[in-house]
Amino acid sequence: QKEVEQNSGPLSVPEGAIASLNCTYSDRGSQSFFWYRQYSGKSPELIMSIYSNGDKEDGRFTAQLNKASQYVSLLIRDSQPSDSATYLCAVRNAGGTSYGKLTFGQGTILTVHP
Amino acid sequence: EAGVAQSPRYKIIEKRQSVAFWCNPISGHATLYWYQQILGQGPKLLIQFQNNGVVDDSQLPKDRFSAERLKGVDSTLKIQPAKLEDSAVYLCASSRTEAFFGQGTRLTVV
Repeated sequence: QKEVEQNSGPLSVPEGAIASLNCTYSDRGSQSFFWYRQYSGKSPELIMSIYSNGDKEDGRFTAQLNKASQYVSLLIRDSQPSDSATYLCAVRNAGGTSYGKLTFGQGTILTVHP
Repeated sequence: EAGVAQSPRYKIIEKRQSVAFWCNPISGHATLYWYQQILGQGPKLLIQFQNNGVVDDSQLPKDRFSAERLKGVDSTLKIQPAKLEDSAVYLCASSRTEAFFGQGTRLTVV
């Protein structure tokens, strides 16, 4: 079982729709969860972090965390063509400390078409 | 605030040659990560430092890869000798609570 798994893509949504990206993790001790966006040929860029169960909203982005189900998701509302990128889920173990191991999923390619 | 700096941006070498990558983290970030990202895959952790000590190097191919972080600031990652399968982007990230990445070094081994 992979430590961090993301739903297989690619995911294609029309402009203005909601894009839903999912991620599961295997380590129940994980405490910190992150979503990164990576444009082709660029390095990952942090877009959301979430540490407690529930929803966290930032503009058009909402991260959702369910530790009991070991599941974290990212919703992108009003998707724009500029959102087309690979989205990486990252999970850090070791109770919220700054030096926990940070593990990434394989990424989901999102394409937003006009 | 300056971001994570990496050099070089690109490197082409022949197999069996050696190569070194350099990373300067964000000021004050005690944690430094080196990742390998092969095209189409997520970043794979090679080594993690906390200040100048190694926290995790379980996925570092130690027969050919080495890394150091002198004085708990800058870090270098070395490959010697390189293999064709080492062709990838090598990413450095630093963290206090959230990790931020440098631009990466694209290595091509021919």
